[in-house]
Amino acid sequence: GAGVSQTPSNKVTEKGKYVELRCDPISGHTALYWYRQSLGQGPEFLIYFQGTGAADDSGLPNDRFFAVRPEGSVSTLKIQRTERGDSAVYLCASSLQIGNGDEQFFGPGTRLTVL
Amino acid sequence: AQSVSQHNHHVILSEAASLELGCNYSYGGTVNLFWYVQYPGQHLQLLLKYFSGDPLVKGIKGFEAEFIKSKFSFNLRKPSVQWSDTAEYFCAVTPGSARQLTFGSGTQLTVLP
Repeated sequence: GAGVSQTPSNKVTEKGKYVELRCDPISGHTALYWYRQSLGQGPEFLIYFQGTGAADDSGLPNDRFFAVRPEGSVSTLKIQRTERGDSAVYLCASSLQIGNGDEQFFGPGTRLTVL
Repeated sequence: AQSVSQHNHHVILSEAASLELGCNYSYGGTVNLFWYVQYPGQHLQLLLKYFSGDPLVKGIKGFEAEFIKSKFSFNLRKPSVQWSDTAEYFCAVTPGSARQLTFGSGTQLTVLP
C-alpha cells in the first residue's frame, strides 16, 4: 500500500487479556517505530527496529510489552496481562533508513481500550 | 532526558489571522526539530523540519518555523490561517544521536470561518 497500515483500528479487551497489534510499514522502509499516545498527550516512544533487530527498546514501560519484526517488514506489538492504564492509541511509523534526517511516516494507529 | 513544551493547549483564531505556536525544548546539544500536524480523522504528517543551516525553515501549506538556539525554541508561524488549518500541531525533537522523536503535548488549533 501507499502508506503505513495498522490493524486492528480499534481493539477492546478485558483487563488481564493478551493483545497483539500489527503494523505494516511502507515497502522498502528499513526502520520501524512504535509510539503510544494517551489522551491529551503527544506520542511517546516505545521501541524501534532497524531491519529485524530492536535497535532501541528503552521506551517499553515494562516487561509486559514486547515487539517483534521477524522478517524486517511487518511488526507486531504484544501486550500481556493488559491493564486499564494501557488504554491509548498505539502508533506505528516507518522511515527509509535509520538516521536523524529521515522523515517518519505514521500510520493511523490502533485505539486500545482495556476494560 | 530531553523534553518538549508546547505552552498553548488550545488556540482559536479567525480566518486570515496570523498564527504563532510556541515550542521549547530542554536539551543542550545538537538537536533536530520537527513540526507534525494531525488533521481531523487523519494520521500524523510532517509539516517541516530543521537539521542545520538557515534557522528559518519553510514547510508545506505556507507554514514556517524559526529555530532560536539561545532560547531553545522552534516556534511555528503562518501569516494568514485558513479554516482548513484546523488541526492538532505537535512539536518534536531528536537529540543529535537519537532516532526516536520526543513530542510535545500538542496544540489544538481551531480556525473559525
